[in-house]
Amino acid sequence: DVKVTQSSRYLVKRTGEKVFLECVQDMDHENMFWYRQDPGLGLRLIYFSYDVKMKEKGDIPEGYSVSREKKERFSLILESASTNQTSMYLCASRQTGDQPQHFGDGTRLSIL
Amino acid sequence: RKEVEQDPGPFNVPEGATVAFNCTYSNSASQSFFWYRQDCRKEPKLLMSVYSSGNEDGRFTAQLNRASQYISLLIRDSKLSDSATYLCVRRSGNTPLVFGKGTRLSVIA
Repeated sequence: DVKVTQSSRYLVKRTGEKVFLECVQDMDHENMFWYRQDPGLGLRLIYFSYDVKMKEKGDIPEGYSVSREKKERFSLILESASTNQTSMYLCASRQTGDQPQHFGDGTRLSIL
Repeated sequence: RKEVEQDPGPFNVPEGATVAFNCTYSNSASQSFFWYRQDCRKEPKLLMSVYSSGNEDGRFTAQLNRASQYISLLIRDSKLSDSATYLCVRRSGNTPLVFGKGTRLSVIA
C-alpha cells in the first residue's frame, strides 16, 4: 500500500510566521503535489513536482513556495502566513503514467 | 467553462436505493478518469478507475461516454456507509489530475 505521510494533522500559526508543511511518500513516486481544499472551492493545486529539484506552479501558487531536495519528500512553505491561508492542505503522490494519485491524511492549518 | 463539472448535491437517498452521479468534462484530450471518495474531514481516496468499456466493482459501476464527454458512477443497494462526497477526476498526459468539486451523497436509514 502506498503511504503518504504529512507531518502534522493540525497546526496553528500566527500571521507573518514562516510555516513548513512536510510530506513524505514511501513508494519511490516521481510526481508529488500540494493542494488546498476549502468549502465550496474544491481541491486547488498549489505546486507540483515531477522529479527531484523540479517544481511547477499550479493554479494558486501565490504566497507559497516548495522544495524537493529528495525524491521522497516534498515541502510546502508559507513564506509569511496570512489568515486567508487557513485551510486544509493535502499532499499527494503518484507514479508517472496512467496512475491515480494517493493522498496524505491532510494538515488542517489555522493562521491566527 | 470549468474543466470538470459535477452536481454538488446533496443527494439524499434511502438505504437500498440506486443512485447515479454524472460528471461532464470539457477537455476532449482527456485520457484517464477516476472516481474518488472523500469522507468528511478526511483525505480523498481512490474509489475506482473508469475504463472506456465501463467497469464494475461490487455495487459500483463506472461508465465513460467520450462522445458526450461525461462519466457516471452508479451505486446500487446504497448503504449508510456510502455517505460521502464523490469526486470526479480526469487526467491528460502526465499532467496533474483535475478534480471536480464533488457530489455529496447522504444515505438515510
